[in-house]
Amino acid sequence: DTGVSQNPRHKITKRGQNVTFRCDPISEHNRLYWYRQTLGQGPEFLTYFQNEAQLEKSRLLSDRFSAERPKGSFSTLEIQRTEQGDSAMYLCASSPLTGGNWVTGELFFGEGSRLTVL
Amino acid sequence: AQSVAQPEDQVNVAEGNPLTVKCTYSVSGNPYLFWYVQYPNRGLQFLLKYITGDNLVKGSYGFEAEFNKSQTSFHLKKPSALVSDSALYFCAVRDRGNNRLAFGKGNQVVVIP
Repeated sequence: DTGVSQNPRHKITKRGQNVTFRCDPISEHNRLYWYRQTLGQGPEFLTYFQNEAQLEKSRLLSDRFSAERPKGSFSTLEIQRTEQGDSAMYLCASSPLTGGNWVTGELFFGEGSRLTVL
Repeated sequence: AQSVAQPEDQVNVAEGNPLTVKCTYSVSGNPYLFWYVQYPNRGLQFLLKYITGDNLVKGSYGFEAEFNKSQTSFHLKKPSALVSDSALYFCAVRDRGNNRLAFGKGNQVVVIP
């Protein structure tokens, strides 16, 4: 399967613990996005990378959240000292950079990593 | 700021009847508009997009959408709904000066056999 892959698919943790999610984008996709989706809501933008550079972060991404894409391929999203309000589906998406300027490309989403904080 | 409104929480339609899912948007400039579908326990799948040109765009699985600039709308349509179309549908918009998609809250479509 050559789609966007996310692991783990489901994580249950206790409040205060740290969790890390991994995303493997479609090969050769330069851009990688993280979104968060809660029940009854659409995906909310968290951050995105172009290659290894993190170019934009949402205000939703508090200091407890950190994302990396060290070699411009896979990415990790770490949440430290989890809170119950962090319970959500964390979605990763990738897109190609076309012609030196991403103009119209749609996002290709993974199946998400569901976080439950007890 | 860019935003999307999907006014209905759920759309119920009988199999074989036309399906319409409404979306209005707000951007500061010209928009790029998208529809995605999400099946249970699956990621979002791209359906179609409007970039420029013909206001009527056709996408996957027989869906189409019409861009209406004066009404700032981008409603999703299908002439004859199937039970398998039952899913969660998201409208999304991107301002041409922005690098992120803004999604609506989604519409649950239920196609009744």
